[in-house]
Amino acid sequence: DTGVSQNPRHKITKRGQNVTFRCDPISEHNRLYWYRQTLGQGPEFLTYFQNEAQLEKSRLLSDRFSAERPKGSFSTLEIQRTEQGDSAMYLCASSSMDREAFFGQGTRLTVV
Amino acid sequence: GENVEQHPSTLSVQEGDSAVIKCTYSDSASNYFPWYKQELGKRPQLIIDIRSNVGEKKDQRIAVTLNKTAKHFSLHITETQPEDSAVYFCAASRSGGYQKVTFGTGTKLQVIP
Repeated sequence: DTGVSQNPRHKITKRGQNVTFRCDPISEHNRLYWYRQTLGQGPEFLTYFQNEAQLEKSRLLSDRFSAERPKGSFSTLEIQRTEQGDSAMYLCASSSMDREAFFGQGTRLTVV
Repeated sequence: GENVEQHPSTLSVQEGDSAVIKCTYSDSASNYFPWYKQELGKRPQLIIDIRSNVGEKKDQRIAVTLNKTAKHFSLHITETQPEDSAVYFCAASRSGGYQKVTFGTGTKLQVIP
């Protein structure tokens, strides 16, 4: 599969624990995006990388959230001290310059 | 920031009829408008997009129109089929490319056989 890959697909964690998600973009894509989607809503922008540089972060991205893309390839999204309100689908997308983005299957996070 | 409103939230049509979904946006600097289809439990998939230098774009049974003055754009699906049933999202972004994209709240389309 040469599409955007996200791992894990599902994650159940206890409140207060830290979680980390991984996204592997399409290999030639230099842009990578993280979105969050809750039931019945559209995806909400979280952050965006061009190569290894994080160019924009949403106000939704509190200080408990951190994203990295150290070598301009895969990216990780970490949530520290998870809260029940963090339960959502976390979607990653990638694109090349000024081209449409392709989404991964997402990581569904459930905080209990 | 950008705000995208989408209507209706649900839409039921008979197979073979047309479906129209409408969106408005607030940021006059937005110039790229993609539409995504999301089936239950699956990823959003781009079905068509339009840039601000074009008023209309068509791809087989799907067409999009854009009115920059009024800041609204629409998706038209003709000759609907049951496999068109899904949630459709409109979206808007700046800079002629795919950077920060603001999505609408979605329209759940049901095509009744």
